[in-house]
Amino acid sequence: GAVVSQHPSRVICKSGTSVKIECRSLDFQATTMFWYRQFPKKSLMLMATSNEGSKATYEQGVEKDKFLINHASLTLSTLTVTSAHPEDSSFYICSASRPLGGSSYEQYFGPGTRLTVT
Amino acid sequence: AQSVTQLDSHVSVSEGTPVLLRCNYSSSYSPSLFWYVQHPNKGLQLLLKYTSAATLVKGINGFEAEFKKSETSFHLTKPSAHMSDAAEYFCVVSEAADNKLTFGGGTRVLVKP
Repeated sequence: GAVVSQHPSRVICKSGTSVKIECRSLDFQATTMFWYRQFPKKSLMLMATSNEGSKATYEQGVEKDKFLINHASLTLSTLTVTSAHPEDSSFYICSASRPLGGSSYEQYFGPGTRLTVT
Repeated sequence: AQSVTQLDSHVSVSEGTPVLLRCNYSSSYSPSLFWYVQHPNKGLQLLLKYTSAATLVKGINGFEAEFKKSETSFHLTKPSAHMSDAAEYFCVVSEAADNKLTFGGGTRVLVKP
Protein backbone atom coordinates (compact mmCIF):
# COMPACT_ATOMS: atom_id res chain seq x y z
CA GLY A 1 0.00 0.00 0.00
CA ALA A 2 0.91 3.65 -0.26
CA VAL A 3 3.30 5.00 2.33
CA VAL A 4 3.31 8.41 3.96
CA SER A 5 6.07 9.43 6.31
CA GLN A 6 6.36 12.22 8.84
CA HIS A 7 9.45 13.71 10.33
CA PRO A 8 10.19 14.08 13.16
CA SER A 9 8.10 11.55 15.04
CA ARG A 10 8.62 13.47 18.28
CA VAL A 11 9.87 16.96 18.97
CA ILE A 12 10.30 19.04 22.09
CA CYS A 13 10.80 22.76 21.71
CA LYS A 14 10.93 25.79 23.95
CA SER A 15 8.11 28.27 24.11
CA GLY A 16 8.53 31.02 21.53
CA THR A 17 10.49 28.96 19.04
CA SER A 18 9.27 27.55 15.74
CA VAL A 19 9.21 23.93 14.67
CA LYS A 20 8.78 22.39 11.22
CA ILE A 21 7.09 19.06 10.55
CA GLU A 22 7.52 17.30 7.22
CA CYS A 23 5.02 15.03 5.50
CA ARG A 24 6.15 12.98 2.52
CA SER A 25 4.34 10.61 0.19
CA LEU A 26 7.01 8.03 -0.54
CA ASP A 27 5.63 6.11 -3.50
CA PHE A 28 3.01 8.32 -5.10
CA GLN A 29 2.43 11.92 -6.03
CA ALA A 30 -0.08 13.80 -3.93
CA THR A 31 -1.54 17.00 -5.27
CA THR A 32 -3.46 17.36 -2.02
CA MET A 33 -2.32 16.76 1.52
CA PHE A 34 -4.19 17.39 4.74
CA TRP A 35 -3.02 18.34 8.22
CA TYR A 36 -4.86 17.21 11.32
CA ARG A 37 -4.45 17.83 15.00
CA GLN A 38 -5.34 15.30 17.66
CA PHE A 39 -5.65 16.22 21.33
CA PRO A 40 -5.11 13.50 23.95
CA LYS A 41 -7.92 10.95 23.90
CA LYS A 42 -9.76 13.02 21.31
CA SER A 43 -10.61 12.73 17.66
CA LEU A 44 -8.75 14.21 14.72
CA MET A 45 -9.52 17.78 13.77
CA LEU A 46 -8.80 18.92 10.24
CA MET A 47 -6.59 22.00 10.32
CA ALA A 48 -5.97 22.71 6.68
CA THR A 49 -5.90 21.40 3.14
CA SER A 50 -2.56 21.75 1.40
CA ASN A 51 -2.54 21.95 -2.39
CA GLU A 52 0.67 21.67 -4.38
CA GLY A 53 1.74 24.99 -5.79
CA SER A 54 -0.96 27.06 -4.13
CA LYS A 55 -1.92 28.46 -0.77
CA ALA A 56 -3.33 26.18 1.84
CA THR A 57 -6.99 26.34 2.79
CA TYR A 58 -7.47 26.61 6.52
CA GLU A 59 -10.45 25.43 8.53
CA GLN A 60 -12.40 27.88 10.58
CA GLY A 61 -10.64 28.80 13.79
CA VAL A 62 -7.16 27.74 12.66
CA GLU A 63 -4.65 30.61 12.60
CA LYS A 64 -2.91 30.60 9.24
CA ASP A 65 -0.10 32.84 10.49
CA LYS A 66 0.65 30.48 13.32
CA PHE A 67 0.45 27.24 11.38
CA LEU A 68 2.32 27.84 8.13
CA ILE A 69 1.81 25.23 5.46
CA ASN A 70 3.93 24.83 2.38
CA HIS A 71 3.36 22.25 -0.36
CA ALA A 72 6.28 22.88 -2.66
CA SER A 73 6.32 19.55 -4.45
CA LEU A 74 4.00 16.66 -5.20
CA THR A 75 5.59 14.56 -2.48
CA LEU A 76 6.27 17.02 0.32
CA SER A 77 4.17 19.25 2.54
CA THR A 78 5.47 21.03 5.62
CA LEU A 79 3.72 22.43 8.66
CA THR A 80 5.58 25.05 10.65
CA VAL A 81 4.28 25.93 14.08
CA THR A 82 5.52 29.47 14.66
CA SER A 83 6.15 31.01 18.08
CA ALA A 84 5.02 27.82 19.73
CA HIS A 85 3.31 27.88 23.11
CA PRO A 86 2.48 25.04 25.50
CA GLU A 87 -1.12 24.97 24.26
CA ASP A 88 0.22 24.01 20.82
CA SER A 89 1.44 20.73 22.28
CA SER A 90 -0.45 18.04 20.43
CA PHE A 91 -0.24 15.12 18.03
CA TYR A 92 -0.10 16.36 14.43
CA ILE A 93 -1.03 13.97 11.66
CA CYS A 94 -0.83 14.45 7.92
CA SER A 95 -2.49 12.56 5.12
CA ALA A 96 -1.82 12.45 1.41
CA SER A 97 -4.52 12.03 -1.18
CA ARG A 98 -3.82 9.42 -3.83
CA PRO A 99 -5.91 9.39 -7.01
CA LEU A 100 -7.57 6.06 -7.76
CA GLY A 101 -9.02 6.98 -11.15
CA GLY A 102 -11.81 9.26 -12.26
CA SER A 103 -12.75 11.52 -9.39
CA SER A 104 -11.96 8.89 -6.77
CA TYR A 105 -9.24 9.39 -4.16
CA GLU A 106 -7.98 7.63 -1.08
CA GLN A 107 -6.18 9.25 1.82
CA TYR A 108 -3.13 7.67 3.37
CA PHE A 109 -2.06 8.81 6.81
CA GLY A 110 1.35 9.48 8.21
CA PRO A 111 2.36 8.06 11.62
CA GLY A 112 2.02 11.43 13.31
CA THR A 113 4.33 13.86 15.09
CA ARG A 114 4.07 14.48 18.80
CA LEU A 115 4.94 18.07 19.62
CA THR A 116 5.68 19.11 23.18
CA VAL A 117 6.26 22.78 23.90
CA THR A 118 7.95 23.51 27.23
CA ALA B 1 -22.26 19.75 5.74
CA GLN B 2 -21.20 16.33 6.88
CA SER B 3 -20.93 14.96 10.40
CA VAL B 4 -20.34 11.69 12.17
CA THR B 5 -21.53 10.49 15.56
CA GLN B 6 -20.01 7.50 17.25
CA LEU B 7 -22.54 6.49 19.82
CA ASP B 8 -20.16 4.88 22.31
CA SER B 9 -16.97 6.49 23.55
CA HIS B 10 -15.88 3.23 25.18
CA VAL B 11 -16.72 -0.41 24.49
CA SER B 12 -15.53 -3.28 26.64
CA VAL B 13 -15.76 -6.87 25.42
CA SER B 14 -14.37 -10.23 26.42
CA GLU B 15 -11.96 -11.98 24.11
CA GLY B 16 -13.83 -14.26 21.72
CA THR B 17 -17.12 -12.37 21.95
CA PRO B 18 -18.64 -10.14 19.23
CA VAL B 19 -17.77 -6.48 18.87
CA LEU B 20 -20.22 -3.80 17.72
CA LEU B 21 -19.17 -0.19 17.21
CA ARG B 22 -21.98 2.14 16.28
CA CYS B 23 -21.75 5.03 13.85
CA ASN B 24 -24.33 7.40 12.43
CA TYR B 25 -23.59 9.98 9.78
CA SER B 26 -25.08 13.03 8.21
CA SER B 27 -24.26 14.04 4.65
CA SER B 28 -25.77 16.22 1.96
CA TYR B 29 -24.45 14.02 -0.83
CA SER B 30 -23.78 10.37 -1.43
CA PRO B 31 -20.98 9.86 1.04
CA SER B 32 -18.01 7.61 1.25
CA LEU B 33 -17.65 6.05 4.68
CA PHE B 34 -14.60 4.61 6.36
CA TRP B 35 -13.51 2.94 9.55
CA TYR B 36 -9.97 3.54 10.76
CA VAL B 37 -8.14 2.00 13.72
CA GLN B 38 -5.44 3.69 15.77
CA HIS B 39 -3.30 1.66 18.12
CA PRO B 40 -1.46 3.52 20.91
CA ASN B 41 1.26 5.76 19.54
CA LYS B 42 0.64 4.46 16.03
CA GLY B 43 -0.69 5.94 12.82
CA LEU B 44 -4.18 5.43 11.45
CA GLN B 45 -4.88 2.23 9.60
CA LEU B 46 -7.79 1.82 7.21
CA LEU B 47 -10.03 -1.10 8.18
CA LEU B 48 -12.60 -0.80 5.43
CA LYS B 49 -14.47 1.66 3.24
CA TYR B 50 -17.84 2.07 1.56
CA THR B 51 -17.99 3.93 -1.73
CA SER B 52 -21.50 3.23 -3.13
CA ALA B 53 -20.88 -0.36 -4.16
CA ALA B 54 -21.97 -3.30 -1.99
CA THR B 55 -23.63 -2.18 1.24
CA LEU B 56 -21.92 -4.91 3.28
CA VAL B 57 -18.25 -4.17 3.32
CA LYS B 58 -15.61 -6.60 4.47
CA GLY B 59 -12.36 -5.26 5.80
CA ILE B 60 -9.13 -6.46 7.28
CA ASN B 61 -8.71 -8.50 10.46
CA GLY B 62 -12.23 -9.94 10.28
CA PHE B 63 -14.07 -6.65 10.53
CA GLU B 64 -17.08 -5.75 8.45
CA ALA B 65 -19.57 -2.90 8.28
CA GLU B 66 -22.99 -2.45 6.77
CA PHE B 67 -24.14 0.77 5.13
CA LYS B 68 -27.80 1.44 5.86
CA LYS B 69 -28.99 4.54 4.09
CA SER B 70 -32.45 4.48 5.66
CA GLU B 71 -30.87 4.55 9.11
CA THR B 72 -27.87 6.71 8.12
CA SER B 73 -25.71 4.18 9.90
CA PHE B 74 -22.42 2.42 9.23
CA HIS B 75 -21.88 0.13 12.21
CA LEU B 76 -18.68 -1.89 12.50
CA THR B 77 -18.75 -5.50 13.68
CA LYS B 78 -16.44 -8.40 14.31
CA PRO B 79 -17.74 -11.83 15.34
CA SER B 80 -14.93 -12.65 17.73
CA ALA B 81 -12.71 -10.10 19.46
CA HIS B 82 -9.00 -10.63 19.83
CA MET B 83 -6.71 -9.02 22.36
CA SER B 84 -4.96 -7.21 19.52
CA ASP B 85 -8.22 -5.44 18.66
CA ALA B 86 -7.82 -3.17 21.69
CA ALA B 87 -7.43 0.26 20.12
CA GLU B 88 -9.25 3.46 19.18
CA TYR B 89 -11.66 3.22 16.26
CA PHE B 90 -12.82 6.14 14.13
CA CYS B 91 -15.80 6.30 11.81
CA VAL B 92 -15.17 8.78 9.01
CA VAL B 93 -17.32 10.36 6.31
CA SER B 94 -16.26 12.04 3.12
CA GLU B 95 -18.17 13.85 0.44
CA ALA B 96 -16.49 13.34 -2.91
CA ALA B 97 -16.79 17.00 -3.83
CA ASP B 98 -13.99 18.17 -1.57
CA ASN B 99 -12.25 14.96 -0.51
CA LYS B 100 -12.25 16.17 3.09
CA LEU B 101 -12.61 13.63 5.85
CA THR B 102 -14.77 14.28 8.90
CA PHE B 103 -13.96 12.10 11.89
CA GLY B 104 -16.28 10.82 14.54
CA GLY B 105 -15.31 11.23 18.16
CA GLY B 106 -13.79 7.77 18.35
CA THR B 107 -14.58 4.61 20.30
CA ARG B 108 -12.00 3.09 22.57
CA VAL B 109 -12.22 -0.70 22.61
CA LEU B 110 -11.03 -2.67 25.60
CA VAL B 111 -10.70 -6.43 25.26
CA LYS B 112 -10.72 -8.44 28.45
CA PRO B 113 -9.07 -11.84 28.64
